[in-house]
Amino acid sequence: DGGITQSPKYLFRKEGQNVTLSCEQNLNHDAMYWYRQDPGQGLRLIYYSQIVNDFQKGDIAEGYSVSREKKESFPLTVTSAQKNPTAFYLCASTPGQVYGYTFGSGTRLTVV
Amino acid sequence: QKEVEQNSGPLSVPEGAIASLNCTYSDRGSQSFFWYRQYSGKSPELIMSIYSNGDKEDGRFTAQLNKASQYVSLLIRDSQPSDSATYLCAVNMGTGYALNFGKGTSLLVTP
Repeated sequence: DGGITQSPKYLFRKEGQNVTLSCEQNLNHDAMYWYRQDPGQGLRLIYYSQIVNDFQKGDIAEGYSVSREKKESFPLTVTSAQKNPTAFYLCASTPGQVYGYTFGSGTRLTVV
Repeated sequence: QKEVEQNSGPLSVPEGAIASLNCTYSDRGSQSFFWYRQYSGKSPELIMSIYSNGDKEDGRFTAQLNKASQYVSLLIRDSQPSDSATYLCAVNMGTGYALNFGKGTSLLVTP
């Protein structure tokens, strides 16, 4: 079955550490997205990519980095520059504007 | 800043009643509108999309769009306890198909 796989489901980060969240899709979608969800804050856009080797900053890109070397994969790195990384991270993809997103199951990141 | 506004709730309705969820948006150029349902601890799932003024029905769900008033709504008929969740309104921002989400309305359907 087609879908989006995010891993790991839970991730713990120590202070000053970089961590990478994986997002893989087999839907053949061109566009992929990373959002962050905090309690009471809704979903906020971190980065998005419409094609391979190209990506754009969203509203809260500071402290994050991404790559898009393959159509299927859009990993997100949370760097030590992100001072408050504890949140629920959601990856999504879409084939186009009128279709809405398909979401992965999310990664819950906690700073320890 | 392009805004999408929703009442946070909780909205409480008895089982079998109609639940009405509302959303307003600030960008007049928006063309695509979506409703997602999110259960606690889970990722959002798409339940309705609408692009033209008027109503769109799918089973127990009806989405309503009024572009002149910049208003989108979702009606859930014959509400069930399993409908208890947070409902997110999403509007396309016109760049890279990216969606701008409201903070969500919490719905509680009581038996």
